[in-house]
Amino acid sequence: GAGVSQSPRYKVAKRGQDVALRCDPISGHVSLFWYQQALGQGPEFLTYFQNEAQLDKSGLPSDRFFAERPEGSVSTLKIQRTQQEDSAVYLCASSLAGGYSSEAFFGQGTRLTVV
Amino acid sequence: RKEVEQDPGPFNVPEGATVAFNCTYSNSASQSFFWYRQDCRKEPKLLMSVYSSGNEDGRFTAQLNRASQYISLLIRDSKLSDSATYLCVVNLPQAGTALIFGKGTTLSVSS
Repeated sequence: GAGVSQSPRYKVAKRGQDVALRCDPISGHVSLFWYQQALGQGPEFLTYFQNEAQLDKSGLPSDRFFAERPEGSVSTLKIQRTQQEDSAVYLCASSLAGGYSSEAFFGQGTRLTVV
Repeated sequence: RKEVEQDPGPFNVPEGATVAFNCTYSNSASQSFFWYRQDCRKEPKLLMSVYSSGNEDGRFTAQLNRASQYISLLIRDSKLSDSATYLCVVNLPQAGTALIFGKGTTLSVSS
């Protein structure tokens, strides 16, 4: 498809389990972002890539969260030893260029529930 | 202090009403400003960019006041289909184009 694709759409994890969330950005998009959205809240910035370079990871809530984009296209967000407070929708977005005015296109998100 | 703060919602208005949303941002170096719309259990989508001179797109008008670090969105002649959450979005200069979202303001338009 032509849009941002995320998988899985839904994930239920037992507390303490590791999870990996995948994002396929729009082909050719340079910038890729991960956001965490809790119920009733706006998306909270987690991390940002320009091609394969992770330029900002200041939003990652703890060292249990790790993101990579090794070849500058597909990205994976990994959460180790999941906790209940990690339950949220994880949104991935991509934009064409690194300029200030690029529109960000979002995937449908992965809804993570930690039980 | 949050980077982007929005009016608390929800706004409940009848069809045909005019409604305005406000937003303030804390980083004076921010360069890009947007309004995104998010429908229930869907992903955010760009509604419109916000330019210094103000801009209009049909029933939607966006304004930016850099001196006050204030952004607004005006919706005229509200439609049922306008019911959604409206997110004020500002870029984070130190991270290039990383976009920072407000918590959103929920609009409910009723007949």
